Amino acid sequence: SQQGEEDPQALSIQEGENATMNCSYKTSINNLQWYRQNSGRGLVHLILIRSNEREKHSGRLRVTLDTSKKSSSLLITASRAADTASYFCATHDTGTASKLTFGTGTRLQVTL
Amino acid sequence: DTEVTQTPKHLVMGMTNKKSLKCEQHMGHRAMYWYKQKAKKPPELMFVYSYEKLSINESVPSRFSPECPNSSLLNLHLHALQPEDSALYLCASSPLFSGYGELFFGEGSRLTVL
Repeated sequence: SQQGEEDPQALSIQEGENATMNCSYKTSINNLQWYRQNSGRGLVHLILIRSNEREKHSGRLRVTLDTSKKSSSLLITASRAADTASYFCATHDTGTASKLTFGTGTRLQVTL
Repeated sequence: DTEVTQTPKHLVMGMTNKKSLKCEQHMGHRAMYWYKQKAKKPPELMFVYSYEKLSINESVPSRFSPECPNSSLLNLHLHALQPEDSALYLCASSPLFSGYGELFFGEGSRLTVL
């Protein structure tokens, strides 16, 4: 079953601009993760934020988590054409350690 | 490059065929997963193996039969599939000691059922 809803479903920006994607989820979580998927390929883990964390950075990525609103955002700064991909949030619910459930995803297009 | 290897990359089969998808990892991970992904949709969990034992089956039809012969290998046996089973099948692994941690995905096997 699907846990997270992401918006926007699709986002088109120019190189150098920032991209923000939002994720909402429904249940209590242990952590929230973001993954990237190039067209038709496997998923690559980007960043993990635990339920007791509010913000995390990794290179050009910034993730926030608001457990009171059950929402998270992923910010990609100074985007590049190579960032073109689909981005998924995913959650580990508390009590289901092995079950990672993905959100609906955002398709990001970065143009030159 | 991914450290989870899936074969074949592409598979076309008829509804009466029997085929298998294979997944291999050499990272010492003790949890392995099968996900199914339809076009423009998120991956959906099918099965989870922990220490070579099936721990989660998300009510997957019996025409999909998983097998974990050892800690490095995961198979998905396919039999009497339907055209709607056409999808990208993704294998993943994770270190079991961090049961809430990140998953490492293979590149997937794209299955077409005619």
